[in-house]
Amino acid sequence: KNEVEQSPQNLTAQEGEFITINCSYSVGISALHWLQQHPGGGIVSLFMLSSGKKKHGRLIATINIQEKHSSLHITASHPRDSAVYICAVYSNSGYALNFGKGTSLLVTP
Amino acid sequence: GAVVSQHPSWVICKSGTSVKIECRSLDFQATTMFWYRQFPKQSLMLMATSNEGSKATYEQGVEKDKFLINHASLTLSTLTVTSAHPEDSSFYICSATPLVLAESSYNEQFFGPGTRLTVL
Repeated sequence: KNEVEQSPQNLTAQEGEFITINCSYSVGISALHWLQQHPGGGIVSLFMLSSGKKKHGRLIATINIQEKHSSLHITASHPRDSAVYICAVYSNSGYALNFGKGTSLLVTP
Repeated sequence: GAVVSQHPSWVICKSGTSVKIECRSLDFQATTMFWYRQFPKQSLMLMATSNEGSKATYEQGVEKDKFLINHASLTLSTLTVTSAHPEDSSFYICSATPLVLAESSYNEQFFGPGTRLTVL
């Protein structure tokens, strides 16, 4: 099974700060998923990536396949970014997802 | 595109009753649907994988007679929690995978909004 580690586990930031959440995994993957879960529970897909870098608004995701590491960056953070961010990886079979435990982010005004 | 809905969004039931949760892919056909359970402050745990027209595959430790899964069509899967008990109270999330594109090396999962089950 692919071990997926996220850091930090909890993060508090002030509005406007640049935020980085890290994800490392132990076994080669076909793709990696960054998910956002709000307090109500619903999960929103932020990024799917298998190489390089993707950007959407204030969010940037990068992945280094050789180092088995991905980062999610949030620029100019805002209180509405407060949520749990989950890293999940697809195995090389491309079928099952292994989830990290999530990073709980709180952005204060 | 790729919207997945769940119904109900929350349910409260008495111990011993059965509860059915529906998962629908609204704008695509889903060959595979996944059911997850999430306890407070924990990550999603895969319960079972269901393929349209065949029996679900359950993860180790998940009782198939207690958590009945039916995937009768390419857009609907149901999870029935039979004889629910307070320890079954949890957040249940489904995801769906569209038909695989030939050039794709992974089957992207699209998540439903979840169903919060409380058993009294």
